[in-house]
Amino acid sequence: AQKVTQAQTEISVVEKEDVTLDCVYETRDTTYYLFWYKQPPSGELVFLIRRNSFDEQNEISGRYSWNFQKSTSSFNFTITASQVVDSAVYFCALNRDDKIIFGKGTRLHILP
Amino acid sequence: GAGVSQSPSNKVTEKGKDVELRCDPISGHTALYWYRQSLGQGLEFLIYFQGNSAPDKSGLPSDRFSAERTGGSVSTLTIQRTQQEDSAVYLCASSPGLAREQYFGPGTRLTVT
Repeated sequence: AQKVTQAQTEISVVEKEDVTLDCVYETRDTTYYLFWYKQPPSGELVFLIRRNSFDEQNEISGRYSWNFQKSTSSFNFTITASQVVDSAVYFCALNRDDKIIFGKGTRLHILP
Repeated sequence: GAGVSQSPSNKVTEKGKDVELRCDPISGHTALYWYRQSLGQGLEFLIYFQGNSAPDKSGLPSDRFSAERTGGSVSTLTIQRTQQEDSAVYLCASSPGLAREQYFGPGTRLTVT
């Protein structure tokens, strides 16, 4: 069975702090893809990153970085120097072929 | 280019009525998904279309729900005999292909009174 767990339901941090959103997945497949999406208060989900199971390199994009560790089945997302505009619900997802499983999301509040 | 569009943006209907929700995917995207998101909840997969293949209907909650995709482009999600528990935001997404990133529309907020 495939499963995505985002144990942090809600997180609040003060602006400029770093914050890490956890994502743990379960799959028996050797080929799969992992994603992060952002859903700001406006409601429209925005794609952030896609990573395949054979690429364990960490990725950095501006203030965002992702740590993929197959050994612990985790794909964590870190925001450095958080800003109020980062406030949103963040979803981690697991996809193989046409099946996609979303985690329940982590609601992130960045306090000014 | 244009993103995924959905119409209407809001729909209020009486219990027992039928509703149709429309999704215009990004041109050239072969995959199209429908999801349901209840207030403050995650995404519930409903149905998936890929090219000319038969749709994956495994997520549809009941036989009151159906969807079609005409000409490999526009899709319509139909809910018959709506119930109050159908109230939610219905999201459509399209994707360039299998296991690729999805691009979401703004959603249709359905309220059943």
